[in-house]
Amino acid sequence: AQKITQTQPGMFVQEKEAVTLDCTYDTSDPSYGLFWYKQPSSGEMIFLIYQGSYDQQNATEGRYSLNFQKARKSANLVISASQLGDSAMYFCAMRVYGNNRLAFGKGNQVVVIP
Amino acid sequence: SAVISQKPSRDICQRGTSLTIQCQVDSQVTMMFWYRQQPGQSLTLIATANQGSEATYESGFVIDKFPISRPNLTFSTLTVSNMSPEDSSIYLCSVGPDRANYGYTFGSGTRLTVV
Repeated sequence: AQKITQTQPGMFVQEKEAVTLDCTYDTSDPSYGLFWYKQPSSGEMIFLIYQGSYDQQNATEGRYSLNFQKARKSANLVISASQLGDSAMYFCAMRVYGNNRLAFGKGNQVVVIP
Repeated sequence: SAVISQKPSRDICQRGTSLTIQCQVDSQVTMMFWYRQQPGQSLTLIATANQGSEATYESGFVIDKFPISRPNLTFSTLTVSNMSPEDSSIYLCSVGPDRANYGYTFGSGTRLTVV
């Protein structure tokens, strides 16, 4: 079974600084995908970034980058140059290929302070 | 990426009643997913809705409580039946994965409060 672990307590980050959100996962399947989603207080789920298990390079999307360490089974999200609008819950998720369902971690709360 | 219109965005319902949530997608999709997010919690998959067949429910969720319809490739409904305060949650539909970026798109969510 897939398992996603996000254990950090709520985080406060200064505006314009970088923040790293930890995510570890557990699967015995060699083919899988890792996702990060942002959920602001409005409740919508916003897709941020994707990393495939066979991708050679770490994924980047604008200010978001994914630090993928396959041997450690970690997929940490780095948000650079934090903005006030980055205040939200962030969820790590995984999909094992052959199974289209996403499994989500418990989430990390981020509050950006001016 | 697909665009999903989810209705209603929020509702307050009396216990014992039912609420039907609708999701309309702007393109044809094979699978639609329904999630529940209880207050302060993560997302839990309720079921996968396939067109032309019965939905596949996850452990802990049953069709009598959460009946799902999928009449075509762009539309699905989730009904929360015989509601109790424990059903107060955000309910989200989702489609994916996107062929371009592999992401899953979510509806804007239905914030349900049962009183």
